[in-house]
Amino acid sequence: EIVLTQSPGTLSLSPGERATLSCRASQSVSSSYVAWYQQKPGQAPRLLIYGASSRATGIPDRFSGSGSGTDFTLSISRLEPEDFAVYYCQQYGRSQYTFGQGTKLEIK
Amino acid sequence: QVQLQESGPGLVKPSETLFLTCAVSGYSISSGYYWGWIRQPPGKGLEWIGSIYQSGSTYYNPSLKSRVTISVDTSKNQFSLKLSSVTAADTAVYYCARDHQDIVVVPAAHFDYWGQGTLVTVSS
Repeated sequence: EIVLTQSPGTLSLSPGERATLSCRASQSVSSSYVAWYQQKPGQAPRLLIYGASSRATGIPDRFSGSGSGTDFTLSISRLEPEDFAVYYCQQYGRSQYTFGQGTKLEIK
Repeated sequence: QVQLQESGPGLVKPSETLFLTCAVSGYSISSGYYWGWIRQPPGKGLEWIGSIYQSGSTYYNPSLKSRVTISVDTSKNQFSLKLSSVTAADTAVYYCARDHQDIVVVPAAHFDYWGQGTLVTVSS
């Protein structure tokens, strides 16, 4: 099983700042199979990024994804109040999906 | 617009079988894609349970494989989850989602549409 480790566990920032969230895989994964989700309290996860860098339908361009191999990053260029949530990375490999443990983005 | 809705008992006794159904609207399961189940224990992260194709082909999380059965009913445009021998550790919000997996045409694997989730508590 490929383990995904997200860092930091909690990120405290102010609206307007830039957020950088990291996701590291225990072994190399195909960037085609890496995705990022946003989850707000009481809601289902929402797909933000797929294929490591492609934005899902309706996702603002302040969200961007990058990375390859074992290191992937989700960046939010200018934080809006509605961006404060928990973010999960996900990979698919060897016929199974795994998720990172999540990064909580909170208002400073 | 693709929509998914989970349904089933909110309370299951230990050692019994959990059974949930996901009704899909806005898209015909017969048209393709995999369809999956993901769960989230209270206050914790996401765990993929398994997925099924419209043909009935399945693949499961190895850690749950011995207890999981996912089936599909294309006539009702829905798919279902059975999890046997449940314990308190199976208490979670269970989500169904469309598994956008393609390893041939345009490689991709992610969940693009999700149900709202349903909380299942395992308790006597």
